[in-house]
Amino acid sequence: AQRVTQPEKLLSVFKGAPVELKCNYSYSGSPELFWYVQYSRQRLQLLLRHISRESIKGFTADLNKGETSFHLKKPFAQEEDSAMYYCALMTTDSWGKLQFGAGTQVVVTP
Amino acid sequence: DTAVSQTPKYLVTQMGNDKSIKCEQNLGHDTMYWYKQDSKKFLKIMFSYNNKELIINETVPNRFSPKSPDKAHLNLHINSLELGDSAVYFCASARLASHEQFFGPGTRLTVL
Repeated sequence: AQRVTQPEKLLSVFKGAPVELKCNYSYSGSPELFWYVQYSRQRLQLLLRHISRESIKGFTADLNKGETSFHLKKPFAQEEDSAMYYCALMTTDSWGKLQFGAGTQVVVTP
Repeated sequence: DTAVSQTPKYLVTQMGNDKSIKCEQNLGHDTMYWYKQDSKKFLKIMFSYNNKELIINETVPNRFSPKSPDKAHLNLHINSLELGDSAVYFCASARLASHEQFFGPGTRLTVL
């Protein structure tokens, strides 16, 4: 069965410090991986996906098939990065079904 | 102007009641979803419709019945509400091929 693991429930970092959110998945096929973000009192929105290989708001994520990981990184955290981050997996046979990890709450303190 | 909208935003009701949550999208998407976010913020898919046809039906009690009158709407009806149904319910839509899902603002359901 497919599974997405985000081991950190809460990540507290200082402004300007690097931040890394871990995400591991289990799926035997070719996955599509996403990071979604939910800012306080806002709706869930796509942050980035591995296919596009782009950097959004300073965040990057690389798919490592050998380690089955898709960690999210940002070199210098900002206070506005405080939010709930979800890693999500979509499999090729799932009709667009997103399997979410448990989420990581990021708190950036000044 | 809103892309994906849900009504109501908050719903407080008694155990045993029947309630509905409505979702509408004006993005022209073919696929719509319902997700449940529990008190620990865990998000899990419940249903998905593509062109008004049910394509994903996770292990959800029969008390939950989605209905899609047209491609732009996906409603969720819940019968005989239980305490454990208290959660935030999110609707989402996508153009199937693009895979990016656009979420509604959520409906916070509280069952007393």
